[in-house]
Amino acid sequence: AQKVTQAQTEISVVEKEDVTLDCVYETRDTTYYLFWYKQPPSGELVFLIRRNSFDEQNEISGRYSWNFQKSTSSFNFTITASQVVDSAVYFCALSTGANSKLTFGKGITLSVRP
Amino acid sequence: DGGITQSPKYLFRKEGQNVTLSCEQNLNHDAMYWYRQDPGQGLRLIYYSQIVNDFQKGDIAEGYSVSREKKESFPLTVTSAQKNPTAFYLCASSILFYAAENTGELFFGEGSRLTVL
Repeated sequence: AQKVTQAQTEISVVEKEDVTLDCVYETRDTTYYLFWYKQPPSGELVFLIRRNSFDEQNEISGRYSWNFQKSTSSFNFTITASQVVDSAVYFCALSTGANSKLTFGKGITLSVRP
Repeated sequence: DGGITQSPKYLFRKEGQNVTLSCEQNLNHDAMYWYRQDPGQGLRLIYYSQIVNDFQKGDIAEGYSVSREKKESFPLTVTSAQKNPTAFYLCASSILFYAAENTGELFFGEGSRLTVL
């Protein structure tokens, strides 16, 4: 069985602060994919990143960075110098690839105050 | 532009009425999905379809029905049997479910918010 845990439910920061969103996953498969999606107030889920289980390299995209650690089964997401437009619900998700459905965490509501 | 279109964006229903939510995609994806989102609950899978004329129940299928007569369309009917239908409904699609290159990535519509009066 697959499981994704996002222990934080709501986070509130002031603009320009750095913030880390935690994600812990469980799977018995050796091949799997991890995702982060952003859900702004408009409702649509926006794809942010996909990482496969064989690539533990951290990734940086502008103000966004992701830290994948298989040893702790974590795939954390950091926003540097947060902005009001970063306010959204963020979902971490797990798939074991072909024949597998995506399993979502419960989401983290991030509020960035000006 | 390719994408997923859900309609209506907002819908109000009286108790005892069936309502149908539309989902259309022009991404040429084989698989389509319906999710329900409630505050603090994340996304829960209602139904999914891997190919035309075939669909499977997800985790919370009771009180819902679907059809998949065309590749592009996957409508969801919320029936009167659904005890608590007020929620945000998201439709998604992906490449062929069984394809080796399928990573599980989903593409989402903008959602439909259903309120029961």
